[in-house]
Amino acid sequence: NAGVTQTPKFQVLKTGQSMTLQCAQDMNHEYMSWYRQDPGMGLRLIHYSVGAGITDQGEVPNGYNVSRSTTEDFPLRLLSAAPSQTSVYFCASRMRRVSTDTQYFGPGTRLTVL
Amino acid sequence: KQEVTQIPAALSVPEGENLVLNCSFTDSAIYNLQWFRQDPGKGLTSLLLIQSSQREQTSGRLNASLDKSSGRSTLYIAASQPGDSATYLCAVPSGSARQLTFGSGTQLTVLP
Repeated sequence: NAGVTQTPKFQVLKTGQSMTLQCAQDMNHEYMSWYRQDPGMGLRLIHYSVGAGITDQGEVPNGYNVSRSTTEDFPLRLLSAAPSQTSVYFCASRMRRVSTDTQYFGPGTRLTVL
Repeated sequence: KQEVTQIPAALSVPEGENLVLNCSFTDSAIYNLQWFRQDPGKGLTSLLLIQSSQREQTSGRLNASLDKSSGRSTLYIAASQPGDSATYLCAVPSGSARQLTFGSGTQLTVLP
């Protein structure tokens, strides 16, 4: 299994540009989520999905959209990039049983917004 | 709101030493607690998951314990090696388990 994969690894955007961060998993996990990691702020949940067609907001959803058309893919869209969105973005997945199931993280996308 | 604290923020030890990393949480109604490792510029790798009904979990030189009543977990690393150098994060599910709440991490350096 490839686990959780993310593309691109690095990205530089100008303010106002839009882009999509890709995330895929091949473990047939129902639950997928996006986090951002910032110095001094730790990891914060942006959006999550409990299955295909079902998404919901996390702690810091503003400026981001998600969709889940398949079990495998969970892309994160930045609608109009702002410097405050400069961060490292991690996608994660797990099975639905929260008590026993390990959460797996992708390698991250490092985004800089100028 | 669940809060997770890790002490110390940084730790430097000579190779071969046994060490303990600490994690505390404010709400004891947790499903599990997970320990992760993060290398510089990399993603998070899951090390151990302790279910709420368990007291400890072991994997190789790692042993994690959980005391829900006191809101504490420890990660014990035996016979530390330079390759153990990384940031170690603990996390618990919160918000109806829709997210993980992370501690700020302990940055470990093992000196050869």
